[in-house]
Amino acid sequence: AQKITQTQPGMFVQEKEAVTLDCTYDTSDQSYGLFWYKQPSSGEMIFLIYQGSYDEQNATEGRYSLNFQKARKSANLVISASQLGDSAMYFCAMREGLTGFKTIFGAGTRLFVKA
Amino acid sequence: DTGVSQNPRHKITKRGQNVTFRCDPISEHNRLYWYRQTLGQGPEFLTYFQNEAQLEKSRLLSDRFSAERPKGSFSTLEIQRTEQGDSAMYLCASSLGAGNYNEQFFGPGTRLTVL
Repeated sequence: AQKITQTQPGMFVQEKEAVTLDCTYDTSDQSYGLFWYKQPSSGEMIFLIYQGSYDEQNATEGRYSLNFQKARKSANLVISASQLGDSAMYFCAMREGLTGFKTIFGAGTRLFVKA
Repeated sequence: DTGVSQNPRHKITKRGQNVTFRCDPISEHNRLYWYRQTLGQGPEFLTYFQNEAQLEKSRLLSDRFSAERPKGSFSTLEIQRTEQGDSAMYLCASSLGAGNYNEQFFGPGTRLTVL
């Protein structure tokens, strides 16, 4: 069973506008962590934001915020005020269990920011 | 630079040859992970080390693959008798601890092309 689902293969956004990248997940663990990574064309995985399953507030990191809806098992990434440098692949990921070490990634969403 | 480093960055080889990749984690990190990323997909977990002990291997890691971390510092991933299906980006990550809340820091990856 697919554990992380990203249904948007590609997204376009106008520079300076906000964009939401969708992510749903599946787990039976009560304790888990959700992550978003950015992968530019150079290939490195850049950590953006983390949300713990017990966190009651949505995580925010600068222009990034994570819209965590636990009952729906969704963890959407919101990027505000998009910049041209935001054009990249974005991966939603999850790690299960208190001692989890295996990060499970979705297939990714390619974001294109238009000038 | 104190990030995770990987060498080589690119490797082109002929089918049937052996290849070895190296990963140097962040110096104080005792956990090390290998992932494989094929074109258009998210990374997939391959194996995990805590210090020098290899604690988990994915079923993706066939008998032709071997990973070591002899002194609990750098790690090597060897692929014997390479096949075209081995062509992928091989990513290394490290972390200070395990658990679903610990950030895994990724290296730039080694891109393998098997002709």
